Amino acid sequence: DTEVTQTPKHLVMGMTNKKSLKCEQHMGHRAMYWYKQKAKKPPELMFVYSYEKLSINESVPSRFSPECPNSSLLNLHLHALQPEDSALYLCASSPTQGSAMGYTFGSGTRLTVV
Amino acid sequence: GIQVEQSPPDLILQEGANSTLRCNFSDSVNNLQWFHQNPWGQLINLFYIPSGTKQNGRLSATTVATERYSLLYISSSQTTDSGVYFCAVMYSGGGADGLTFGKGTHLIIQP
Repeated sequence: DTEVTQTPKHLVMGMTNKKSLKCEQHMGHRAMYWYKQKAKKPPELMFVYSYEKLSINESVPSRFSPECPNSSLLNLHLHALQPEDSALYLCASSPTQGSAMGYTFGSGTRLTVV
Repeated sequence: GIQVEQSPPDLILQEGANSTLRCNFSDSVNNLQWFHQNPWGQLINLFYIPSGTKQNGRLSATTVATERYSLLYISSSQTTDSGVYFCAVMYSGGGADGLTFGKGTHLIIQP
């Protein structure tokens, strides 16, 4: 299995809602990442997990809360988002943190905040 | 932080044409990758190429690390090659172990 699976593919949520994005990989990778991509822009790193521990938080607002329950799963909990948070949220994994070989992206969750 | 610049920003070609995409980076990098993002948002890893030359079918890539640039060649373009091509680097410094992306080259292949 050489895939990173993200659910849901599309999500529309109100500014008072709480929702979660999910990411799963079964490649035995020990580093997992969340990226945010606005329209016509490149992906930007949000969070890095290494061996299920948060390694890097790139100054992301607290309304985004990551969680890594085990080595295969990565969640992103969303609460009180703003319309400007609408974007494509991409999950990725790699064999270890800092390893670019084998870096694999999921197909993303397209989030719209209304 | 490191700067990654891609050129050209946009490229429109007829099917069958060849193209060269360029990526310049401002500092030494541990590695460099080329990705293709299709119209549905999926990022496909094309090459992991910190240095040297690699080929995969109609695509090839060359990185000259000492001169801080990489080139992606696409030969005999097909309409399915359309999308955005990103160069992304990983570097030591600043604690960043994620990928830093260039702004991409938006390629349109017309039939």
